[in-house]
Amino acid sequence: QKEVEQNSGPLSVPEGAIASLNCTYSDRGSQSFFWYRQYSGKSPELIMFIYSNGDKEDGRFTAQLNKASQYVSLLIRDSQPSDSATYLCAVTGRSSARQLTFGSGTQLTVLP
Amino acid sequence: DGGITQSPKYLFRKEGQNVTLSCEQNLNHDAMYWYRQDPGQGLRLIYYSQIVNDFQKGDIAEGYSVSREKKESFPLTVTSAQKNPTAFYLCASKRQGAQLAGVNEQFFGPGTRLTVL
Repeated sequence: QKEVEQNSGPLSVPEGAIASLNCTYSDRGSQSFFWYRQYSGKSPELIMFIYSNGDKEDGRFTAQLNKASQYVSLLIRDSQPSDSATYLCAVTGRSSARQLTFGSGTQLTVLP
Repeated sequence: DGGITQSPKYLFRKEGQNVTLSCEQNLNHDAMYWYRQDPGQGLRLIYYSQIVNDFQKGDIAEGYSVSREKKESFPLTVTSAQKNPTAFYLCASKRQGAQLAGVNEQFFGPGTRLTVL
């Protein structure tokens, strides 16, 4: 079982719709959760982080965390073509070094 | 401008050659990381360093070596022992010590794309 799992997609949504991206993790002691956006050929950029159960909103983005279910999601409201990218979920464990473990990413396409 | 730089952007290696990828940061970050990304895959940790003159192996360290002689610099050498080195290499850094609770943000450089000829 992979430590961090994401549906690889591709996920296609029409412009203006809500895109929902999901991630599950295997280490129940994981503490911090991150969503990175990566455009083709570019490096990842952080768009959201969350470490408490519940929802966290930042503009059009909402991160949701459910530690009991070991599940974290990212919702993108009013999706724009510029949101088309690969979204990487990353998780830190309990070690003092707090290394990030990445999922393989979900490719999102927003259709105009 | 503060940030992380990687050079070169593109690198071509012949079979049996060692090559060194550069990573420099002026963010005064203590921790630095090297990741490898293959097409359609997530990032896999090669090596990391939390302090000058100290570094640890990540998940896929075989065939790679690093040094951390200066806080600002964390070069990665891809040796001839790495049999399948063609990939996108990403360097990242992170502030250690006092942080916002739970935050562990890593900042990434622009990456180096290595191709074996």
